[in-house]
Amino acid sequence: DQQVKQNSPSLSVQEGRISILNCDYTNSMFDYFLWYKKYPAEGPTFLISISSIKDKNEDGRFTVFLNKSAKHLSLHIVPSQPGDSAVYFCAASANEGKLQFGAGTQVVVTP
Amino acid sequence: ETGVTQTPRHLVMGMTNKKSLKCEQHLGHNAMYWYKQSAKKPLELMFVYSLEERVENNSVPSRFSPECPNSSHLFLHLHTLQPEDSALYLCASSRAVQETQYFGPGTRLLVL
Repeated sequence: DQQVKQNSPSLSVQEGRISILNCDYTNSMFDYFLWYKKYPAEGPTFLISISSIKDKNEDGRFTVFLNKSAKHLSLHIVPSQPGDSAVYFCAASANEGKLQFGAGTQVVVTP
Repeated sequence: ETGVTQTPRHLVMGMTNKKSLKCEQHLGHNAMYWYKQSAKKPLELMFVYSLEERVENNSVPSRFSPECPNSSHLFLHLHTLQPEDSALYLCASSRAVQETQYFGPGTRLLVL
């Protein structure tokens, strides 16, 4: 029973353009959402988070949007850079803190 | 430098072997986690320790045995594994169970 879904396994975007990664969840008890970035042969690196009391959080080139009514989360990266090429995982937790992860989206930023 | 280290980075073992994975965090965190990542699947939480006590065990087979001797170290003891246990095993830590988790680089395990 997968409660966090990333339906796009891959995304290709041109350098300088916007990357939009999407994530859907089914558990209405989730109140904390995170995005992690993973390079090959490395562990996931925390990127940005948002709590359910907000609908937007911005950190430099990265912005996370939360639409609670649609149970939808998105990550915007603008402008995209070659170093952004990685797998991005969406994760969510309810009050007890156990993270549920999506399957990941492979982003490739092309010159 | 993530502050969470794992050894070994790669491990090949037979089904009758006994081996251990080690995780160490240098972040002063109180919670530590073991995850399994199989190809093209989400990360699966295996175990959670908070202040050296196990608080979560996600129906993991007994051939995986965790040990948390102190808040900085976490082990995963492996015994009579199956080929389907081949995966990337990730350790993570956080200040408290409900806070952001920081991951180690993982151990790539191959069971023959």
